Amino acid sequence: GQQLNQSPQSMFIQEGEDVSMNCTSSSIFNTWLWYKQDPGEGPVLLIALYKAGELTSNGRLTAQFGITRKDSFLNISASIPSDVGIYFCAGPPQGTYKYIFGTGTRLKVLA
Amino acid sequence: DSGVTQTPKHLITATGQRVTLRCSPRSGDLSVYWYQQSLDQGLQFLIQYYNGEERAKGNILERFSAQQFPDLHSELNLSSLELGDSALYFCASSGISYNSPLHFGNGTRLTVT
Repeated sequence: GQQLNQSPQSMFIQEGEDVSMNCTSSSIFNTWLWYKQDPGEGPVLLIALYKAGELTSNGRLTAQFGITRKDSFLNISASIPSDVGIYFCAGPPQGTYKYIFGTGTRLKVLA
Repeated sequence: DSGVTQTPKHLITATGQRVTLRCSPRSGDLSVYWYQQSLDQGLQFLIQYYNGEERAKGNILERFSAQQFPDLHSELNLSSLELGDSALYFCASSGISYNSPLHFGNGTRLTVT
């Protein structure tokens, strides 16, 4: 079935470091969403992307809609302890209404 | 606060029982989505409703059913519960456009004993 693969699966970084993660699929997407989930809470929308090649920022976060429309990237600059959590990409594969979620990237920041 | 309200926050019940989870979408949103998240797992899409009609279906078990009412709130019914149904169940809502982003509630944690 349709699947979104995220990498890395998890990462430990030092406070102040930049972080990069990506999301890939075999399907074409017209929308990419990035979410952050804290333990026991619902995912919170970080960034929404709607056009191939689009680059959008939200504070220290920057996300890009891949040119092939089959991938997306999220960067976090100058990480801080509260960036800890699980980051998910999501979107509806072209021609569907189903928003599927990636496997997640678990981020741990060492102070 | 996302504006999406889910009740109850926690539910503990026994195997074989039936429960109902409730979701009120953000004001103005017509779509409601249900997701299941088992421990340390990703979000599995169950079902989507748009303005009262079923729009998309995921890997929802036959023991599970959902509906969206005229006031746009939604209920997810889980019956003949099994231990493996223990999970966080999230509701999300979105606006009119098919690619409007989803906004999530804080979930219902279901524990089946």
